[in-house]
Amino acid sequence: DTVMTQSPASLAVSLGERATINCQSSQSLLYTSNNKNYLAWYQQKPGQPPKLLIYWASTRESGVPDRFSGSGSGTDFTLTISSLQAEDVAIYYCQQYYSSPVTFGQGTRLET
Amino acid sequence: QVQLQQSGPGLVKPSQTLSLTCSVSGGSISGGGYYWSWIRQPAGRGLEWIGRLYTSGYTKYNPSLKSRVTISGDTSKNQFSLMLTSVTAADTAVYFCAREPVAGTDNWFDSWGQGTPVIVSS
Repeated sequence: DTVMTQSPASLAVSLGERATINCQSSQSLLYTSNNKNYLAWYQQKPGQPPKLLIYWASTRESGVPDRFSGSGSGTDFTLTISSLQAEDVAIYYCQQYYSSPVTFGQGTRLET
Repeated sequence: QVQLQQSGPGLVKPSQTLSLTCSVSGGSISGGGYYWSWIRQPAGRGLEWIGRLYTSGYTKYNPSLKSRVTISGDTSKNQFSLMLTSVTAADTAVYFCAREPVAGTDNWFDSWGQGTPVIVSS
């Protein structure tokens, strides 16, 4: 299985500041035939299911604020929140869908 | 807007079978464009994909659980179900159903059920 490693495990950022979460995969997630990276990002708040934020490593899901952005290619990816809002406090997960079974990172807890 | 509503018992005895159902509204499990998956999350831990139902009725499972898992669909009720046999304490988790938009062999999950906490205990 493809192992997804997130860093840091937890992160404290002041409101209005930038938050950066990293995700590394044990194999490349770049499919060269279509030049797409098979990586998604989710936000999960307590007692709720995960919410899709980004897919194809950098495509924002409809309705997701543009302060959320994804970048990276191959094995190294980043989720950036440009200006942290109080409602962004949550756990964030990356997920690869390049190979089966799909696998998730262990999560990054974001706090203020 | 699709909605996924889960149902099923929250307590299962060891060695017995866990059974959960996901009822879908606002979309059809037999329509094109989507697969239907089950995912679980042990307390304080990450997410584990269990398996999926294709619109054809075909299924695919995580090899780590394949020997104990059955996912099935009922198109007349527009719902799909999970059965996990011979459960142990290690199967204690929150179980989610989720929809996969079909972009490739495997995909992301764009809509989720509310989650069902399941405890395996006598």
